[in-house]
Amino acid sequence: NAGVTQTPKFRILKIGQSMTLQCTQDMNHNYMYWYRQDPGMGLKLIYYSVGAGITDKGEVPNGYNVSRSTTEDFPLRLELAAPSQTSVYFCASSYWGVNEKLFFGSGTQLSVL
Amino acid sequence: TQLLEQSPQFLSIQEGENLTVYCNSSSVFSSLQWYRQEPGEGPVLLVTVVTGGEVKKLKRLTFQFGDARKDSSLHITAAQPGDTGLYLCAGRVTGGGNKLTFGTGTQLKVEL
Repeated sequence: NAGVTQTPKFRILKIGQSMTLQCTQDMNHNYMYWYRQDPGMGLKLIYYSVGAGITDKGEVPNGYNVSRSTTEDFPLRLELAAPSQTSVYFCASSYWGVNEKLFFGSGTQLSVL
Repeated sequence: TQLLEQSPQFLSIQEGENLTVYCNSSSVFSSLQWYRQEPGEGPVLLVTVVTGGEVKKLKRLTFQFGDARKDSSLHITAAQPGDTGLYLCAGRVTGGGNKLTFGTGTQLKVEL
């Protein structure tokens, strides 16, 4: 199984550009998440989804948008990129259940210059 | 304001030493997890604790969940260079659904 796949792995954007970070999982997980991580720090939740068609904001949603049209895919859209969005972005998924572990992708390193 | 505060933020020790990492909050958690992350990779789950006062052991690692389910600790005995990494606690607030909030992280370096 591929698990959680994120693309691209690296990207450089100019201020004001837009892009979509792709995330797909093949484990039939209900829950999917987007986190961002600044160097040496913990992860901050951007958006999450409990199933197709349902999304909700996390701690730091400003400047981002998501959609969940299928169980497998959970893309993250950056509109009008800003230097403050320079970070590593992780997508994760899990089964339903309060004690379930998260499976993470390998991350997307994004620089906004 | 960070929901889960970890201490220390950085820790550099010699091989064979013991260490403890703390994860504290003012909120009550229905469960708490510890993850370890290596450079260039996503976090990987080490353990889940769900009952106040619970202690779990994973080889040289001992995890404890506080009696009031507001805090947790990770103790490593006889640290080895392979333990080097970023340690993250993560919790689900009681009544908060399946949303997982991560702590601030503890960067551990174990040197020979």
